[in-house]
Amino acid sequence: KAGVTQTPRYLIKTRGQQVTLSCSPISGHRSVSWYQQTPGQGLQFLFEYFSETQRNKGNFPGRFSGRQFSNSRSEMNVSTLELGDSALYLCASSLTGGGYTFGSGTRLTVV
Amino acid sequence: DAKTTQPNSMESNEEEPVHLPCNHSTISGTDYIHWYRQLPSQGPEYVIHGLTSNVNNRMASLAIAEDRKSSTLILHRATLRDAAVYYCILRGKGIQGAQKLVFGQGTRLTINP
Repeated sequence: KAGVTQTPRYLIKTRGQQVTLSCSPISGHRSVSWYQQTPGQGLQFLFEYFSETQRNKGNFPGRFSGRQFSNSRSEMNVSTLELGDSALYLCASSLTGGGYTFGSGTRLTVV
Repeated sequence: DAKTTQPNSMESNEEEPVHLPCNHSTISGTDYIHWYRQLPSQGPEYVIHGLTSNVNNRMASLAIAEDRKSSTLILHRATLRDAAVYYCILRGKGIQGAQKLVFGQGTRLTINP
């Protein structure tokens, strides 16, 4: 079966712009979560969605937001980009109580 | 969030068993112990998870201490493809029953040919 698909794979944006990243979970997985990975901070939890509702949120500023659609696909948005937002953004999907399956990520570079 | 402690790095030889330790002294009764690994330029890959009993799957075994304050991931015969960063994570409950993974720094495993 198809894995977790994240698009685009690479993205370059300038400071002040906004960006939208997309994640298609494994078919049947209703939980989608997002993580940011940087060399300095490692993997950090951003937020989790289940049945179109945000159920959990990490310690990130309000510039980071997300949503989930009725088909479980999810998007995350970062507004007013800063240089420090350069990172690998990972999406993961899961069944309740099971392991998470991660996508390959979107590498965002802010210049 | 309950935290885990792992050695920063470990080294082993190909075709030998590898035991990766993890301490989680503040684990709560409902926290599952998850292990993931991450190869360069890839997202983390699920390895195994458990609650109280030892677990086995095709990739590895998970040995959980009786008091659940520590666990060990066992790779029975390491191959070069097992070289990765291994994360021990406690999967707990947040608000509204939601769950999240809290990653530590992980253990960088090097396999020597």
